[in-house]
Amino acid sequence: DVKVTQSSRYLVKRTGEKVFLECVQDMDHENMFWYRQDPGLGLRLIYFSYDVKMKEKGDIPEGYSVSREKKERFSLILESASTNQTSMYLCASRGPLGVNGYTFGSGTRLTVV
Amino acid sequence: AQSVTQLGSHVSVSEGALVLLRCNYSSSVPPYLFWYVQYPNQGLQLLLKYTSAATLVKGINGFEAEFKKSETSFHLTKPSAHMSDAAEYFCAVESRGSQGNLIFGKGTKLSVKP
Repeated sequence: DVKVTQSSRYLVKRTGEKVFLECVQDMDHENMFWYRQDPGLGLRLIYFSYDVKMKEKGDIPEGYSVSREKKERFSLILESASTNQTSMYLCASRGPLGVNGYTFGSGTRLTVV
Repeated sequence: AQSVTQLGSHVSVSEGALVLLRCNYSSSVPPYLFWYVQYPNQGLQLLLKYTSAATLVKGINGFEAEFKKSETSFHLTKPSAHMSDAAEYFCAVESRGSQGNLIFGKGTKLSVKP
């Protein structure tokens, strides 16, 4: 089975801190995604990547950046954390179209105080 | 543009009752369709998928969904709800004509009463 591992389940950070959320997948998938999930808003795509060193903005990229230096690792960076970035962050990877959709990590619940 | 609509943000059923979670999609080409389940404080887990084989798709935990092209629907059902089914359910569409990004519905939270 594909495994997508997010490094932290819970994080508490202070306003203004630079925050790194790490995601690693073990199935050589080319496509990786970062979402945030908030009550009533569903999943919103922040950034995605189709290959190493490639990145594409999703629907809500403001305040975030990403890094994909290796195929298996996709990092989400909050340049200067703010309280409105308190959320659940979900990483996913995808194999071939139509096979199994996305495989998700367990999520990181980030609280910015 | 593609979209997914899940009717009802909250659905409550009694244990043993039928579960019906509704999903309608819009897509210009025949889509791939998915249902995911999310238990509290966890990531999303694939429940079942439609990829143009049989229109009635069976998934894990006794769930199934039927693809109806004429109604652009992919509703999720389970004949008899169990307490452990309480979770949030997401419908998603992946268009074959696109880069393959999934478009998610906003989710339906299922409560099961004893």
